[in-house]
Amino acid sequence: EAGVAQSPRYKIIEKRQSVAFWCNPISGHATLYWYQQILGQGPKLLIQFQNNGVVDDSQLPKDRFSAERLKGVDSTLKIQPAKLEDSAVYLCASSRSGTGGMRGDYTFGSGTRLTVV
Amino acid sequence: GIQVEQSPPDLILQEGANSTLRCNFSDSVNNLQWFHQNPWGQLINLFYIPSGTKQNGRLSATTVATERYSLLYISSSQTTDSGVYFCAVGVKLVFGKGTKLTVNP
Repeated sequence: EAGVAQSPRYKIIEKRQSVAFWCNPISGHATLYWYQQILGQGPKLLIQFQNNGVVDDSQLPKDRFSAERLKGVDSTLKIQPAKLEDSAVYLCASSRSGTGGMRGDYTFGSGTRLTVV
Repeated sequence: GIQVEQSPPDLILQEGANSTLRCNFSDSVNNLQWFHQNPWGQLINLFYIPSGTKQNGRLSATTVATERYSLLYISSSQTTDSGVYFCAVGVKLVFGKGTKLTVNP
C-alpha cells in the first residue's frame, strides 16, 4: 500500500508570513495526526482527526495554527503568521482506527521541514 | 501528563557491537511503541510492546509495565541501524527525546 504523502518536503519563509502543509493519509485510515518535531526533540502531537472531526487539538497554538480535514481524507495544516520558534519538521501520520496508538497501527509520512527566518 | 525519559541520549558503536536502550515512563500505560527515525527523517515502527518481550531479527524489546520501563536491544549492530530511536507511550503517543545511535564501520 502507498504510504502517507506529505508536501512540500522543505519550506523556507520569513517570520510573519503564512505557510500551509498538505497530507494525504493511507487509503482507508480514518484517523489522521499532525505532529511537530523541533530539532533534538521527539514529535509532539498538535491535532488528531477522526474522519473529518477533531478529536484532540489541546496542544495546537490556535492563535496562529489551523488545520482541516475536508471529506475525511486529505488534510492541511496552516500557520499564520509564522514565528521563528515554528521552525521544525511537521509530521503527518495516519492509523486505521482512533485507537492506532493502542495497536501500533501508526504510519508516518516523511515530513515537511519548515525554516522561519 | 506522562513523562518519558530515554537513555543514553547518545551512543556510538563499532559495527558488530550490541547495545541496550532504555525508556522510563512516569505513569501506567497500556501502550508503548519503539520507533526508528532514519537520517532522512522517516519514522518507522519497530515494536508495539505494552508488555512482555518481542523479537524481530537483530532487534528485541522488553517492557515491564509494572516497573514502568522498556528496553530495546540491538545485536550485531550495522551502519544502517544509525539514527534516532524513540520510545512513545499512551494512546496519543507521548514521545521521549530519543537516543541518537551512530554505528561506525
